[in-house]
Amino acid sequence: KAGVTQTPRYLIKTRGQQVTLSCSPISGHRSVSWYQQTPGQGLQFLFEYFSETQRNKGNFPGRFSGRQFSNSRSEMNVSTLELGDSALYLCASSLAIGEGRNEQYFGPGTRLTVT
Amino acid sequence: ELKVEQNPLFLSMQEGKNYTIYCNYSTTSDRLYWYRQDPGKSLESLFVLLSNGAVKQEGRLMASLDTKARLSTLHITAAVHDLSATYFCAVDITGNQFYFGTGTSLTVIP
Repeated sequence: KAGVTQTPRYLIKTRGQQVTLSCSPISGHRSVSWYQQTPGQGLQFLFEYFSETQRNKGNFPGRFSGRQFSNSRSEMNVSTLELGDSALYLCASSLAIGEGRNEQYFGPGTRLTVT
Repeated sequence: ELKVEQNPLFLSMQEGKNYTIYCNYSTTSDRLYWYRQDPGKSLESLFVLLSNGAVKQEGRLMASLDTKARLSTLHITAAVHDLSATYFCAVDITGNQFYFGTGTSLTVIP
């Protein structure tokens, strides 16, 4: 079974630009979560989508947004990029079978550098 | 806000030695996960702990969960160089919203 895939793997953008990152979950997984990883703040939850609906949201400004498509693929968008948005963005998928085991499987990440 | 603290943050240990990484969290949860991350790589799932008293073992690693103490441990037995990595614990209290610990960077010295 193919794992979680993320595109692109590396990205360099300029302050003020916007960026869209893509994530394809493991086949059959309906939940997709996004995380930001930086040396200073560690791993922080951005948001989670299930059946095209955002179910959970972390403490990030509105510049960070996302969506999920009917095939469970997800995109996240960051508008008006700031230097502090430079990070590794990780996507994770899970079966989301309710209150029980929701083990998340992580993709390779997208390394975003803002200059 | 849920806080998840790991200690130590950095751990340098000799091959063959034993050590324990601690993960404390600030609110009730019975779902805790351990991940490993190699430099420049993504997160690899190690253990899923879903109840008080849960204990899982894989090779030289053993994880346990005490929900009453809000504490999980990752014990390393007879460390080998291949275990060098950063280890994260993560707590899930709402379902698919993981709060990660600060990470423990482990270096095993030959």
